Amino acid sequence: QTVVTQEPSFSVSPGGTVTLTCALSSGSVSSSYYPSWYQQSPGQAPRTLIYSTNTRSSGVPDRFSGSILGDKAVLIITGAQAEDESSYYCLLYVGSGLWVFGGGTKLTVL
Amino acid sequence: EVQLVESGGGLVKPGGSLRLSCVASGFTFNTYTINWVRQTPGKGLEWVSSITSSSGYIYYADSVKGRFTISRDNAKNSLYLQMDNLRAEDTAVYYCARKTISARHFDYWGQGTLVTVSS
Repeated sequence: QTVVTQEPSFSVSPGGTVTLTCALSSGSVSSSYYPSWYQQSPGQAPRTLIYSTNTRSSGVPDRFSGSILGDKAVLIITGAQAEDESSYYCLLYVGSGLWVFGGGTKLTVL
Repeated sequence: EVQLVESGGGLVKPGGSLRLSCVASGFTFNTYTINWVRQTPGKGLEWVSSITSSSGYIYYADSVKGRFTISRDNAKNSLYLQMDNLRAEDTAVYYCARKTISARHFDYWGQGTLVTVSS
């Protein structure tokens, strides 16, 4: 069974930079997994931030970026703002029509 | 405006059944793959099932295979999830989510419907 791991929580100071990671239980994350990232505030549906590793969704501020670093997909927030305090989820397409979400990272901005 | 609106959630006893619906508007429903994704209260997201535009391909997570059935009616712009033999661990908010045509991600989500499995 494929498990996707994210940091459960992370803290960043306003204006700071944070790198959230998305790792596979076995093997490396590559662009072939089409990593995408979603932001979710409490009581809200997820919102797409990044897809296909590094493409920002329409309307997403350019302080959000995505890439592959080593064997993980990463979401980088450069110049974090108070409104970025949310949960962040990565999603990987693992083939054969199957998808797996990471466990999510709860980001605190303080 | 693209909209996905789920309904059908509620309280059901373990072993019971429930049918969720998702009505789509604002786009050509019969050209998109649609998914069900769930979120356990206070926990993370879990992909549940997927159905392609003409129902030609259907996929399930192992956790629901054999108990849940996804279907769609393109004439009614509607997606369904028949959930049988429900367990406590199926308690979650269930979202429908549209997969993009040109890329592999989910671009629009509904607001979700809560399913509670409890005696």
